[in-house]
Amino acid sequence: QSALTQPPSASGSPGQSVTISCTGTSSDVGAYNYVSWYQQHPGKAPKLMIYEVSKRPSGVPDRFSGSKSANTASLTVSGLQVEDEADYYCSSYAVGNKWVFGGGTKLTVL
Amino acid sequence: EVQLVESGGGLVQPGGSLRLSCVASGFAFSSHWMNWVRQAPGKGLVWVSRMNSNGSIIGYADAVKGRFTTSRDNAKNTLYLQMNSLRAEDAAVYYCVRGGTPADWGQGTLVTVSS
Repeated sequence: QSALTQPPSASGSPGQSVTISCTGTSSDVGAYNYVSWYQQHPGKAPKLMIYEVSKRPSGVPDRFSGSKSANTASLTVSGLQVEDEADYYCSSYAVGNKWVFGGGTKLTVL
Repeated sequence: EVQLVESGGGLVQPGGSLRLSCVASGFAFSSHWMNWVRQAPGKGLVWVSRMNSNGSIIGYADAVKGRFTTSRDNAKNTLYLQMNSLRAEDAAVYYCVRGGTPADWGQGTLVTVSS
């Protein structure tokens, strides 16, 4: 049961777009369309941003979008805003009634 | 409004036990999957356990299987995590999270394992 692989950091300027990748295996990301993404600001609980690969919960701006190809999922943040600066985690349902998280990506808005 | 309030964290010695509770409100607790997710200080999120609405299906992370037990009391709208044989690496903030896809998070309770 290994963690999903995310880049430790990503950055962009206000107004730009940034994409964060999340690589798993054929036992998790590649096997199910149950990939989700979370945003976490310092000292706060995580917030669900994307579920089932590309769906947005009510209240999440459409600047946030998700996709998946084979064993890799991606989160794209368009029109970067200062408040988007946070840690982002991907997660996937996995074989054996489990969930697995990625190691997290620190997004910096320059 | 969904509310999840964790309690029961604290300082425990290696090898000791602790039971966490999560009281839910604002939704039909007995209809939802629930999860425990932990986060060591300065580290990433780690899924711990999940349980279906009636407690008949439970999953555990390999790191805690055999040491941790998840249960629920739907009459009390409460989720539990019994943690035994605690190790230093179990020290973390433990979050209670609603959903088959973990969606709604509590604020967490801190578990410290140290002698």
